[in-house]
Amino acid sequence: TQLLEQSPQFLSIQEGENLTVYCNSSSVFSSLQWYRQEPGEGPVLLVTVVTGGEVKKLKRLTFQFGDARKDSSLHITAAQPGDTGLYLCAGAPNTGNQFYFGTGTSLTVIP
Amino acid sequence: GAVVSQHPSWVICKSGTSVKIECRSLDFQATTMFWYRQFPKQSLMLMATSNEGSKATYEQGVEKDKFLINHASLTLSTLTVTSAHPEDSSFYICSADRTSVPGYEQYFGPGTRLTVT
Repeated sequence: TQLLEQSPQFLSIQEGENLTVYCNSSSVFSSLQWYRQEPGEGPVLLVTVVTGGEVKKLKRLTFQFGDARKDSSLHITAAQPGDTGLYLCAGAPNTGNQFYFGTGTSLTVIP
Repeated sequence: GAVVSQHPSWVICKSGTSVKIECRSLDFQATTMFWYRQFPKQSLMLMATSNEGSKATYEQGVEKDKFLINHASLTLSTLTVTSAHPEDSSFYICSADRTSVPGYEQYFGPGTRLTVT
């Protein structure tokens, strides 16, 4: 199992604030994904990054894949209550096509 | 888009009975499907990789005789929890690999909530 540590584990912020979630590992991944999950539902894919140093933007969300493909970050600008949820990173090792999930970050945005 | 369904959405069963959960890819063929389990407020833990027409590959610590996986077709995988016990109560989620898409993208089902009494 490839260990992916996310930080922080829990985050509670006011609407309009910015935040960054980190996903770190000692392993190299061929690709890394970010998901958002709401209670009682399956995860929903937000983005896939495959190239070291890659930056992708999705509206107010900015995703970055580390140069060494061992880590990633998710930055949310001007958070909204609708951003509340469990954010999960998941990495695919260089061999095989399994994905291993990070430890998760539970985000609450207070109106 | 790629849609994955699970059935049932939730199930309650008595201790000692077996429960089957289905995972279907509705609009694409999936050579590989994955089964995860998730405890409250925790992340997803990969249980096994299910390949169509071959035996599933289980992650370390997952009992293959307790969690039987069958991948009978390119659109259907089933997970059977045998002789269920209360500690098996969890949220079980499947995903399907749309291998025609580069980057190894998975699409997740909505999950099945299992409660063993």
